[in-house]
Amino acid sequence: EVQLVQSGAEVKKPGESLKISCKASGYSFTSYWIGWVRQMPGKGLEWMGIIYPADSDTRYSPSFQGQVTISADKSITTAYLQWSSLKASDSAMYYCARPRWPGTSDAFDIWGQGTMVTVSS
Amino acid sequence: EIVLTQSPGTLSLSPGERATLSCRASQSVTSNYLAWYQQKPGQAPRLLVYGASSRATGIPDRFSGDGSGTDFTLTINRLEPEDFAVYYCQQYGSSPRTFGQGTRVEIK
Repeated sequence: EVQLVQSGAEVKKPGESLKISCKASGYSFTSYWIGWVRQMPGKGLEWMGIIYPADSDTRYSPSFQGQVTISADKSITTAYLQWSSLKASDSAMYYCARPRWPGTSDAFDIWGQGTMVTVSS
Repeated sequence: EIVLTQSPGTLSLSPGERATLSCRASQSVTSNYLAWYQQKPGQAPRLLVYGASSRATGIPDRFSGDGSGTDFTLTINRLEPEDFAVYYCQQYGSSPRTFGQGTRVEIK
């Protein structure tokens, strides 16, 4: 079964660092891009960026460039989203997702269950 | 960046009725790479339609997508109780990929 399993909910303080994960299974991890999507409480979906694990080619939305880092470890078929210094406005649900076709940044047909990040002093 | 504007913001309908959701792009969507997703409370989004009009695997045929260029529509025929949710469009033809702000379909 193709699936993406994300790490658990996090509660952090402003200024702390954080790295959340997305473990892929059931398919060739290096053949598909993996993207990250933010959903702030009660709000819509925001496309953050995407990575191609085979060569770590990464594309960011301008809104998120410099604010987060997307990475991947193909040896353990896991993608990551990290912050070096969290802000309260980073509080949101974060989803990883995989496109329909290998090698393309297509529509996302496989989604992780989401990781809730809460940043509060 | 392509801005997607969805309308209406909320649609109040009864089971069995037809829902028509609109997604308008600020510029032409490359190759009609336009997708629709459904999201229910506490769940991840689910892909319904890709390429503007192709249903994703396992999606009932009461869901249909149409449109090209800058104007796209998702139609849900004969609303079932499980169809009441929030729907998002997304373009994936240009970088950065972008989502619309969503349309909530609620029970009247």
